[in-house]
Amino acid sequence: EADIYQTPRYLVIGTGKKITLECSQTMGHDKMYWYQQDPGMELHLIHYSYGVNSTEKGDLSSESTVSRIRTEHFPLTLESARPSHTSQYLCASSEYAGTRSYEQYFGPGTRLTVT
Amino acid sequence: AQKVTQAQTEISVVEKEDVTLDCVYETRDTTYYLFWYKQPPSGELVFLIRRNSFDEQNEISGRYSWNFQKSTSSFNFTITASQVVDSAVYFCALSKGTSGSRLTFGEGTQLTVNP
Repeated sequence: EADIYQTPRYLVIGTGKKITLECSQTMGHDKMYWYQQDPGMELHLIHYSYGVNSTEKGDLSSESTVSRIRTEHFPLTLESARPSHTSQYLCASSEYAGTRSYEQYFGPGTRLTVT
Repeated sequence: AQKVTQAQTEISVVEKEDVTLDCVYETRDTTYYLFWYKQPPSGELVFLIRRNSFDEQNEISGRYSWNFQKSTSSFNFTITASQVVDSAVYFCALSKGTSGSRLTFGEGTQLTVNP
């Protein structure tokens, strides 16, 4: 069973507010990821990190930012929320060992609604 | 570029029927990994299986089985004697074998198992 946590699980917030979605994992994984997913649709990678102080933008353009100050923590921040940000945000982590590719373990997700 | 196609958007079956979810992938890499994930209504993605490109052996785990065929670039997933609890969205995913574990997801297949 993977130990990756996301808070809050549900968030309803007004336009223009700053929000931070929290993600933590206790598995010591090097790599962490943020995905955006509309209900029932495919996942889109928006940010990822290979380790502490490493962050990269993903395949889908996003107005959010991330930081990786500690191995276990990978928060995502929206400086000014808009209705177009309404979606589910999924955090994941995986090991990184050279050329080997490991499965990603996902958190429960945060369902964000911006009114 | 990598691509994963799950042509079946929705499948509906009656309990105890067998059902196969199709997955076709495109990649120019000789080393790659394929995955299946399950996303129940709760929203969390649950890892089901990983297969590397050098291992074409089919795998069976309980009621689940996977058929990997490089000749047709397919990695199909069969559920035998389906149950209502199998109702979920199932995602097929692909990652490169040489550059870490970024995943390319298919669009997902919504499986509904009716009692």
